Amino acid sequence: AQSVTQPDIHITVSEGASLELRCNYSYGATPYLFWYVQSPGQGLQLLLKYFSGDTLVQGIKGFEAEFKRSQSSFNLRKPSVHWSDAAEYFCAVPTGGGNKLTFGTGTQLKVEL
Amino acid sequence: SQTIHQWPATLVQPVGSPLSLECTVEGTSNPNLYWYRQAAGRGLQLLFYSVGIGQISSEVPQNLSASRPQDRQFILSSKKLLLSDSGFYLCAGSPRTGVNNEQFFGPGTRLTVL
Repeated sequence: AQSVTQPDIHITVSEGASLELRCNYSYGATPYLFWYVQSPGQGLQLLLKYFSGDTLVQGIKGFEAEFKRSQSSFNLRKPSVHWSDAAEYFCAVPTGGGNKLTFGTGTQLKVEL
Repeated sequence: SQTIHQWPATLVQPVGSPLSLECTVEGTSNPNLYWYRQAAGRGLQLLFYSVGIGQISSEVPQNLSASRPQDRQFILSSKKLLLSDSGFYLCAGSPRTGVNNEQFFGPGTRLTVL
């Protein structure tokens, strides 16, 4: 079954520094992949999605992600982190015939001022 | 795009009391609907999903049940709450047409069982 792994539980970066959050997928064919963000006490918001085509995907809030088939990865990046980016980030892949999403365990981002 | 509404935002209930959490959807018809739970410091656990009125699939055995009395209404219930039912409950929806669609989430309900 399709799955995603987020190897980093917590990451701390300084404001203004670059960010990369890792996501590895397990799937034979080209997967559909999503990144979501969850601010404390709130629901999840879709940052970006990859379906096919260009492997570099632009999202909201200045985020981007790159699909790398050779590494089975879909890492989320941002060139310069803002304090408001402190949140939990989830990678997800469709499962159950495409009607469900399986989420990674999440990466908690802390931003130091 | 669709909007997911959930209420209440927070709820404190005693052990053994009943539960009813409501989720409604705006902006789309015939959505797939989902209930998730997040325990403190944990990821998202899919509890139930529904592809239509009266059609509910349970993902894990538990003390909870779900119902979908109307196309855009999804209800999570319990007859008797347990301490382990505490958590953050999220409702989500996705378009029925096609597969591999993204899901849109509501703001969540924080449930504390004492």
